[in-house]
Amino acid sequence: NAGVTQTPKFQVLKTGQSMTLQCAQDMNHEYMSWYRQDPGMGLRLIHYSVGAGITDQGEVPNGYNVSRSTTEDFPLRLLSAAPSQTSVYFCASRMASLYNEQFFGPGTRLTVL
Amino acid sequence: AQSVTQPDIHITVSEGASLELRCNYSYGATPYLFWYVQSPGQGLQLLLKYFSGDTLVQGIKGFEAEFKRSQSSFNLRKPSVHWSDAAEYFCAVAYSLNYGGSQGNLIFGKGTKLSVKP
Repeated sequence: NAGVTQTPKFQVLKTGQSMTLQCAQDMNHEYMSWYRQDPGMGLRLIHYSVGAGITDQGEVPNGYNVSRSTTEDFPLRLLSAAPSQTSVYFCASRMASLYNEQFFGPGTRLTVL
Repeated sequence: AQSVTQPDIHITVSEGASLELRCNYSYGATPYLFWYVQSPGQGLQLLLKYFSGDTLVQGIKGFEAEFKRSQSSFNLRKPSVHWSDAAEYFCAVAYSLNYGGSQGNLIFGKGTKLSVKP
C-alpha cells in the first residue's frame, strides 16, 4: 500500500492563480481531511469528508473548495490564491470510526507570491 | 470552543535525560487523545493514543503518556531521550460526540519542538 499520497510536493503560485492539490489513499478509508500547518499554529482543519459525496467545513475553510467523487481521492482547490494561503498542506485519512488512527500524507509546501 | 494547549513551545534536553511534554485540553465530552511526532520536512506519525481503560498508555519508540481526567491533561514522557527524538511533537484531541460540530475531527495543539543536546 502506498498509504496517503499528495502531489505536488512543492508549488509556487502568483496571487490570483488557481490550482488543485491532489490527495489519494489506497486504504479504502471513509474519512479524509485537509489541514494546513503554519509556524506556531499547529495543524488546522480546512475541510473534511466522511465518505464519497459528503464534505464539510473545518476551522479555516475560506478560500478553499473540496469535493469527494470517489473514496480514494480528495482534492483541495484554491480558486484564487492569496499570500495568506502560503502554508504546508497535509491530507489525512482514517477508517470511519474515530477509534482508528489517522494517517497523514507527506505534505505539499505552497508559496503564494 | 474546544482547545488543546501545549504550554512549551521549545524544550531542550540532554541525550539520556528524561522527557515530559505537557498537554492540556478543554473540558468537554469524552476525549480521545493522541500524540503525533513530526520530523523535519516530514508528515506526522502517531506515537500513541488513548480512548479508555488504563490511563497510562504505551506507544512506539519508548514513549508513554498518562491521562489525568481531573487535570484535563495527557502528558507525554520518555525515560531516556535519544538524539533521534529531536522533532516536533503535537498533542491532539477528538471528541466522540457532536461537541460543537466537531465530532471525530482532530484538534491539534500548537506543538512542542524538542532539541536534544549531545
